[in-house]
Amino acid sequence: DVKVTQSSRYLVKRTGEKVFLECVQDMDHENMFWYRQDPGLGLRLIYFSYDVKMKEKGDIPEGYSVSREKKERFSLILESASTNQTSMYLCASSLPAGHGDTQYFGPGTRLTVL
Amino acid sequence: SQELEQSPQSLIVQEGKNLTINCTSSKTLYGLYWYKQKYGEGLIFLMMLQKGGEEKSHEKITAKLDEKKQQSSLHITASQPSHAGIYLCGADPSGTDKLIFGTGTRLQVFP
Repeated sequence: DVKVTQSSRYLVKRTGEKVFLECVQDMDHENMFWYRQDPGLGLRLIYFSYDVKMKEKGDIPEGYSVSREKKERFSLILESASTNQTSMYLCASSLPAGHGDTQYFGPGTRLTVL
Repeated sequence: SQELEQSPQSLIVQEGKNLTINCTSSKTLYGLYWYKQKYGEGLIFLMMLQKGGEEKSHEKITAKLDEKKQQSSLHITASQPSHAGIYLCGADPSGTDKLIFGTGTRLQVFP
């Protein structure tokens, strides 16, 4: 059974703090993704990684960075958290295009920045 | 840039009723995915459609992709409270692994 896990379901941080969101997948997938989900805006891609140490900016990368040192783990970093980064963060993983498969999502981390 | 438009945004139905959710794209889709999200949780994969005219069913949920591959519908037959949640369509606009998503349809089913 496929599994994507995220380090926290709920997180509360203060403005200016450095925040780490961790995602781990056990499916040996090459691709991993970080999205944020906001009411009325849907899911928006923050960053995408197609291999270890490889990353690509998504639609809204400003204020975020990522790290992928191992194939199974993809971290999202908020260098200096701000209140407008309060959101639901979803991690996903998938095989490369052409395999006819979908993206598998983790349970999400609801981040509140005070 | 390509966008996915879902309709309706919200749906409230009585248990046992049928319902349809639509997802429309301005451009041809390389793949169309349907997901369900329970409130405050991650997305659960429902179905994937790739070929024009394709139709897939799982339990009481049927998804179709039109011949032009620009519109998909999700139909639920005899809805139950367990069907409640947010339904999202996702698409791969260019075959590059990166999906775009509709803004979702919130479904409520009351007894």
